[in-house]
Amino acid sequence: QQQVKQSPQSLIVQKGGISIINCAYENTAFDYFPWYQQFPGKGPALLIAIRPDVSEKKEGRFTISFNKSAKQFSLHIMDSQPGDSATYFCAASMLYLGSGNTGKLIFGQGTTLQVKP
Amino acid sequence: NAGVTQTPKFQVLKTGQSMTLQCAQDMNHEYMSWYRQDPGMGLRLIHYSVGAGITDQGEVPNGYNVSRSTTEDFPLRLLSAAPSQTSVYFCASKAGVRDTQYFGPGTRLTVL
Repeated sequence: QQQVKQSPQSLIVQKGGISIINCAYENTAFDYFPWYQQFPGKGPALLIAIRPDVSEKKEGRFTISFNKSAKQFSLHIMDSQPGDSATYFCAASMLYLGSGNTGKLIFGQGTTLQVKP
Repeated sequence: NAGVTQTPKFQVLKTGQSMTLQCAQDMNHEYMSWYRQDPGMGLRLIHYSVGAGITDQGEVPNGYNVSRSTTEDFPLRLLSAAPSQTSVYFCASKAGVRDTQYFGPGTRLTVL
């Protein structure tokens, strides 16, 4: 059972355009939603994260939009650049449970973004 | 500060062979994890550890063993490699439950 579903699997955007990647989750106990960016041959690195008490978080050209009632969240990359070409993973975790919680991350399937010059 | 390091970068095994993927971190992180990355499947948790001497299973633990004798090292053992274990393996660490998780550069494993 895939707890976090990510779409699309791949995305091609022109330079300067907006890239949008969507994720949906099932477990309402999730309380931490990070996005990771992975360049070819490298390990994933944290890009931006949000908690469900806010509906939007923006860091530079990257914005997470969060819809708690729909159990969905999305990554928007404004003014997309060729250097943004990478694989993006959404994830979900439960950070604020009781003792014994390890904050395990459950990842989506990944989206390969190509930004054309 | 090297962060999370993994060796080897590439490995080819024959079915039935055994090997150990090495992972080390120099950030004094308590939490360490192993993931495998397969096309269309995202990153799936194999095993994790919340401190030296403590390990537990993740989503896909079958065919893999781990141990954590020190805070720094978290090796992943394949006892009898199978073609289904062909994948890219990532080790990750974080200081505590609510801290950022850092990934190593990965090991690409092919089992023939």
